[in-house]
Amino acid sequence: GNSVTQMEGPVTLSEEAFLTINCTYTATGYPSLFWYVQYPGEGLQLLLKATKADDKGSNKGFEATYRKETTSFHLEKGSVQVSDSAVYFCALRINFGNEKLTFGTGTRLTIIP
Amino acid sequence: EAGVAQSPRYKIIEKRQSVAFWCNPISGHATLYWYQQILGQGPKLLIQFQNNGVVDDSQLPKDRFSAERLKGVDSTLKIQPAKLEDSAVYLCASSLDYGQGIRTEAFFGQGTRLTVV
Repeated sequence: GNSVTQMEGPVTLSEEAFLTINCTYTATGYPSLFWYVQYPGEGLQLLLKATKADDKGSNKGFEATYRKETTSFHLEKGSVQVSDSAVYFCALRINFGNEKLTFGTGTRLTIIP
Repeated sequence: EAGVAQSPRYKIIEKRQSVAFWCNPISGHATLYWYQQILGQGPKLLIQFQNNGVVDDSQLPKDRFSAERLKGVDSTLKIQPAKLEDSAVYLCASSLDYGQGIRTEAFFGQGTRLTVV
């Protein structure tokens, strides 16, 4: 079956630190990969996505590259801000089918000033 | 463009009571999803609709959960009777279908937080 494994949290960093949240996946077909973010009290929002191998998704200073050889989609940001404090979910969906989004367990990120 | 609307935002019920959640997807989105997010876990799909037909309900506890999407637009999710372990956030999402299995990403509502006491 399909599954997503995320870096265990919580993660606490100082402002302006470099962020990496690891995500690896297993898939029976050819997936698209997503990072969703959930700010306190809000619903899930798409942060970035990549639909094929070697694609790089980017948004709000965050980046993730679809690595088929390592089945990974690690989230990175060069300099985090307090406003980045949230829960981050990695997810996959098999292309060209009626497949569902499969989520990881989420990583809670807290940025301290 | 209006987003996915859900109501209520919060609900507290006693075990064995029934509860219903409502979702209005983004206009024109044929695919609608209900996810259950238990505290500390990632969202888990309960049911997926394509228009008013069910595509996937393999993880829906059908002895107590039911969902419908009459007319292929709004949807309701019902729990009867509720158990303590049903306490979770119930998320509705929708996506636009371009046909031939190509869809946009899922857009999520703010969710309904259910507490069963």
